[in-house]
Amino acid sequence: DAGVTQSPTHLIKTRGQQVTLRCSPKSGHDTVSWYQQALGQGPQFIFQYYEEEERQRGNFPDRFSGHQFPNYSSELNVNALLLGDSALYLCASSSITVKPNYGYTFGSGTRLTVV
Amino acid sequence: AQKITQTQPGMFVQEKEAVTLDCTYDTSDPSYGLFWYKQPSSGEMIFLIYQGSYDQQNATEGRYSLNFQKARKSANLVISASQLGDSAMYFCAMRPAYSGAGSYQLTFGKGTKLSVIP
Repeated sequence: DAGVTQSPTHLIKTRGQQVTLRCSPKSGHDTVSWYQQALGQGPQFIFQYYEEEERQRGNFPDRFSGHQFPNYSSELNVNALLLGDSALYLCASSSITVKPNYGYTFGSGTRLTVV
Repeated sequence: AQKITQTQPGMFVQEKEAVTLDCTYDTSDPSYGLFWYKQPSSGEMIFLIYQGSYDQQNATEGRYSLNFQKARKSANLVISASQLGDSAMYFCAMRPAYSGAGSYQLTFGKGTKLSVIP
């Protein structure tokens, strides 16, 4: 049973560019959340998608946007990259029908470096 | 708003010994869930254990147990019989237990780096 798959694993971009990160949720999961983890910090919630709509958003600027597709996979887009956007981006999937205690499965993340 | 505090940036433990990782939290939500995750160098967040705020007993999962003291707002993780493979970052997290706006995000602490010494 495949877990959460994220691509690419590593990425280097130049300041001002745009980037797209991708996530395939665990089989049976219908909800995808994105987190940003800066070096030495805990993950910070970016947003969550369910039924192809953004259901909740954390304290991130509009440069961060997302999308969920009918097959439940998701993309995270970041425009006008800043050096401070360098981080590990984690995707977590869950199911609306599963209790919160077992609901979150994380991927291994995409390491984004902005130069 | 919810807040998680982990005051131990790094911990060392001898192999086969037990270790306690501290976590305190703050929330105004009447019902909530507390989580511990392990993050090895590969980056993946691995779920370890969950405690609901109204659970009567402390949660246990194999070598992991959660020392939940609601009045003190603490949820410490105890790892018994440490193994070399336990060396990793450990994060405490929480979320409201209700469904609806504001309830979907996990709030994480800054983590504790555990090193197991042979």
